[in-house]
Parts: sequence; structure tokens; C-alpha cells
Amino acid sequence: GENVEQHPSTLSVQEGDSAVIKCTYSDSASNYFPWYKQELGKRPQLIIDIRSNVGEKKDQRIAVTLNKTAKHFSLHITETQPEDSAVYFCAASPRGGGYNKLIFGAGTRLAVHP
Amino acid sequence: DAEITQSPRHKITETGRQVTLACHQTWNHNNMFWYRQDLGHGLRLIHYSYGVQDTNKGEVSDGYSVSRSNTEDLPLTLESAASSQTSVYFCASSVEGSGTEAFFGQGTRLTVV
Repeated sequence: GENVEQHPSTLSVQEGDSAVIKCTYSDSASNYFPWYKQELGKRPQLIIDIRSNVGEKKDQRIAVTLNKTAKHFSLHITETQPEDSAVYFCAASPRGGGYNKLIFGAGTRLAVHP
Repeated sequence: DAEITQSPRHKITETGRQVTLACHQTWNHNNMFWYRQDLGHGLRLIHYSYGVQDTNKGEVSDGYSVSRSNTEDLPLTLESAASSQTSVYFCASSVEGSGTEAFFGQGTRLTVV
């Protein structure tokens, strides 16, 4: 089945710096790649997603890139702010199961220091 | 407003007891999922359902079961609770279709002693 690996597990940056989180997936047929943000004690919430027919997508300070050949995708956060501090999860939607279920990476704890 | 709710929010149970966690959504979503969250493992899929009477095993289904008798509910049952099942459990739902956003409940923190 699908396996998603996420790096790094922890990331510490200064306010205003950029942050990059990388994920790789194993099922070449996976076609949907969302990113979720989970603040302390809260539920995960979608922040951005990308489909396999698109190479890059941007929404204000966040962007996601996808390299289908290498089977990896990345989350980029520019001009980081303290409120960006959270755990971020990448996920992939594999062919098995009709592309509806999500398989998640282990998460990255991002700390943005003022 | 439509929403997805889990109950209870916190539960402590003893080893060997049967426990059921409730998940209820009012969006009329066909897809429903149960995940467990543990430090270092992220969110791991336990069971999922794509509609009434449909259930499927996920990555870590041993010791868990689900049933889907209506669109709104997907209860998760731990048949004989074990300490290894101490975790935070999240229910999620999404609309039918390829690659759609999953909306998560608030989570249930289960402790097995």
C-alpha cells in the first residue's frame, strides 16, 4: 500500500525566514496531495492541496510543489510568523480505495521564534 | 451549521473492556474515516467507509471494528482495550469523489489503564 515519508520531524526558524517541509510517496498512481496544519490541542485543518496534473500551487505565503517523476512534494512557507507554529502533515490519496482515503506522513513540528 | 462531532472527548477505560467512540457528521458525506494519532507516527488510518453498509480496513485495523448503518454515523469499537490503544482518535469525513478535503472532528483522547 501507499507509504508517505515526511522530513524533517522538527523545524525551527526565525520569524521572517522561509520553511520547507518535504514528503515522498510510494504509489505512483496517487493523484491528490493535501497539507494539513494542526495547532496544539486542535483538529487538523487543510491549508493547501495539489493534484497530480499540476506542478505548483500558491496561496499567499504558502506554496506546494509536486514532482511526479521523483514522487515527492514539498510545502514552502515564506515570511514565517509566530502563528505558523504548529504540526504540519502531508498526505497522499492512493489509487487503492478509489483515491478517497488519505495516507499521512508522520508530521513536522514547526517552531517560529520571534 | 453542518459539522462533525466526536464523543466522548476524553475517556479512561480498563484493559480488556469494550469501548465505543462515536462520530456523527451532518454534512451528508459518503466518506468517513477513523485515524489514531501517536507521537512520531502522525495520523494512521484505522478503518474507513464509503457509504452505508460499506467498511474497509486501514493501516492499523487489528483490535478495532466499525459499522455504518446510516450516512451520519461511524462508531469505532475497541473490542478488548489494550494499553497500546491509548491514543488520540480522530474521525473525518469527505464528499464522494476523487481527492476531496477531509474534515476532522475534535478528537477523542482515550487512555487504557
